[in-house]
Amino acid sequence: GENVEQHPSTLSVQEGDSAVIKCTYSDSASNYFPWYKQELGKRPQLIIDIRSNVGEKKDQRIAVTLNKTAKHFSLHITETQPEDSAVYFCAASYGNQFYFGTGTSLTVIP
Amino acid sequence: EAQVTQNPRYLITVTGKKLTVTCSQNMNHEYMSWYRQDPGLGLRQIYYSMNVEVTDKGDVPEGYKVSRKEKRNFPLILESPSPNQTSLYFCASTTKREWASDTQYFGPGTRLTVL
Repeated sequence: GENVEQHPSTLSVQEGDSAVIKCTYSDSASNYFPWYKQELGKRPQLIIDIRSNVGEKKDQRIAVTLNKTAKHFSLHITETQPEDSAVYFCAASYGNQFYFGTGTSLTVIP
Repeated sequence: EAQVTQNPRYLITVTGKKLTVTCSQNMNHEYMSWYRQDPGLGLRQIYYSMNVEVTDKGDVPEGYKVSRKEKRNFPLILESPSPNQTSLYFCASTTKREWASDTQYFGPGTRLTVL
């Protein structure tokens, strides 16, 4: 099956700086790559996603890039704010199954 | 309000005592799924269902059963729970078409402890 690796596991940035989280996947057939944000004690919520026919997608301060050849995708958060502090999960999907990374705990220091 | 609900939210039980965690969605979604979340392991898919009476195994199905008799409900059944099934469980749903995916909506989670 698919194997998704996520790095780093923890990340601290100063408020206003950028944060980058990277994921790699193993199955070249994966065609959908969502990113989820999970605040402490809450459910995961989709923040952005990208499909395999697109190389980059942006939504305000959040962007995702996909490199199909290298089989990796990244989440970029610019102008970070304290409310961006949370655990972020990447995932890869092919067909009916979803495979998640192990998560990145992001702390934005005011 | 569009939502996915789970019950119970918290459950402490003992080894071997059968339990069911319910999941219900009001968005008319075809696809529903169960995940477990463990520290350092992220979310792992247990079972999923493409539609009524259609279910299939995810990555970690051992020790679990599911059923999909109605479109809105997708209960998770632990016939004989063991301590290694202590975890945080999430149900999710989405309108999912073949070879495409859409936003998954997660339920609030069920924290299960098996003693």
